[in-house]
Amino acid sequence: AQTVTQSQPEMSVQEAETVTLSCTYDTSESDYYLFWYKQPPSRQMILVIRQEAYKQQNATENRFSVNFQKAAKSFSLKISDSQLGDAAMYFCAYRSADNSGSRLTFGEGTQLTVNP
Amino acid sequence: NAGVTQTPKFRVLKTGQSMTLLCAQDMNHEYMYWYRQDPGMGLRLIHYSVGEGTTAKGEVPDGYNVSRLKKQNFLLGLESAAPSQTSVYFCASRSPTSGRYFWSYNEQFFGPGTRLTVL
Repeated sequence: AQTVTQSQPEMSVQEAETVTLSCTYDTSESDYYLFWYKQPPSRQMILVIRQEAYKQQNATENRFSVNFQKAAKSFSLKISDSQLGDAAMYFCAYRSADNSGSRLTFGEGTQLTVNP
Repeated sequence: NAGVTQTPKFRVLKTGQSMTLLCAQDMNHEYMYWYRQDPGMGLRLIHYSVGEGTTAKGEVPDGYNVSRLKKQNFLLGLESAAPSQTSVYFCASRSPTSGRYFWSYNEQFFGPGTRLTVL
């Protein structure tokens, strides 16, 4: 079974600064997807960014980028130019690339605080 | 296009009571999921369905039952609620991927969640 670990329960960053959230995972599969989800106080789960395991290039979405290290099974999220609206719980998640209805496996989450 | 909706948004039960949570999606998705979220833990899968009339157990299925009689609806039932089932419940849905390449990826959409308290 796959596992996802986020070792930072809480992180804080100054507005306009850069912060990196860590995530490691364990799997025996070679083909899979990795995700970062944001959950603000509204509880809505919002997809921030995704990475396909077969791609070597790191995904980027505006101020959000990842550092995907497949051999190390590491998938960190970098938020540049942090904004107050980035404050939320962030979850790292894994999903197999098979077509058997595979579900998301989530990490424990990292609570990000953005200080003005 | 409402996406994924959940009913109710909040509920308080007494131990031993039963209830059903309703999830509805209007995106014609084949796959539907029920997760629960507890403090200090990520979302954990309770049950899921890969199509109308089919259901399967997830990571934490005990104490729950599900039904998928219609493609657009996925019901989660608690027959005899226990305080350990106090949680926030999320429903999600997506289409199956058609291949291994990025263009076949299909995003999983989440409902807004249901906060359930069992006293």
